[in-house]
Amino acid sequence: EVQLLESGGGLVEPGGSLRLSCAASGFTFSSYAMSWVRQAPGKGLEWVSSIGFNGNTKYYADSVKGRFTISRDNSKKTLYLQINSLRAEDTAAYYCARHTSTLKECFQQWGQGTLVTVSS
Amino acid sequence: DIQMTQSPSSLSASVGDRVTITCRASQGISTWLAWYQQKAEKAPKSLIYAASSLQNGVPSRFSGGGSGTDFTLTISSLQPEDFATYYCQQYSNYPYTFGQGTKLEIK
Repeated sequence: EVQLLESGGGLVEPGGSLRLSCAASGFTFSSYAMSWVRQAPGKGLEWVSSIGFNGNTKYYADSVKGRFTISRDNSKKTLYLQINSLRAEDTAAYYCARHTSTLKECFQQWGQGTLVTVSS
Repeated sequence: DIQMTQSPSSLSASVGDRVTITCRASQGISTWLAWYQQKAEKAPKSLIYAASSLQNGVPSRFSGGGSGTDFTLTISSLQPEDFATYYCQQYSNYPYTFGQGTKLEIK
C-alpha cells in the first residue's frame, strides 16, 4: 500500500523557517516525481513545488520562489520542503503528492497533510 | 500561467441525481487535465487523469470528458459518499494550476 506521511508542520513566527518532510513507503520512491501542494484554511488547492525522480529538475510557484527549497533523499525515501522567510499567507495545510510517474504527469497519491501556521 | 475556471462554484443535488461540473482552461491544454475529490478535513483523492481516464478503484459512475479548453466531470448517479468538493487541475505546463473548486452538497 502506498503511504505518504508528512511531518514538520507547526506554529512559527513571521520570518521564521521550517522543514517539512514526507516519508514514502509502499512503492519505489526513486522512480517517481514528487510535489508539494498547499491549501490555506477554507481555500482551494495551490501547487507549490515539484521535483523529478533524481532531484535534478525542480519547479516552484512564483509565490514561493527564492524562499522555499524542495529536495529529496532517495536512500531515505523522503521528500523535503525547506520553507524560509515565512509570511502569514503561507499558513496552510501542506500535502505531498506522488506523480503518476514523471514530472509531466498529474498527482496520483496524496499524503494526509501537515499544518503550517505563521503567526506572532 | 494557465487559469482554470470551474462552474458552478457550488451545487445542491440529491442522491441518485446526475450532475455535471465544468472546467475551462484559459488556453488549450489538450487532455492534460485531472480531477480530484476532497472531503472535509481530508486529503484530496485522485479521480481522473488525461481528461477521461479513471484512476484505479474509482467507481464507474464517475466520468470525464473534453479536450482543448473545455472539460466536464459527470457523476451519473450520486451516492452519499460523493458529496465533497471537486477540483480540476491542468498539468500541461508548469506552474500547474487548479480550478477554484466545486462544492457538491446534499439537497
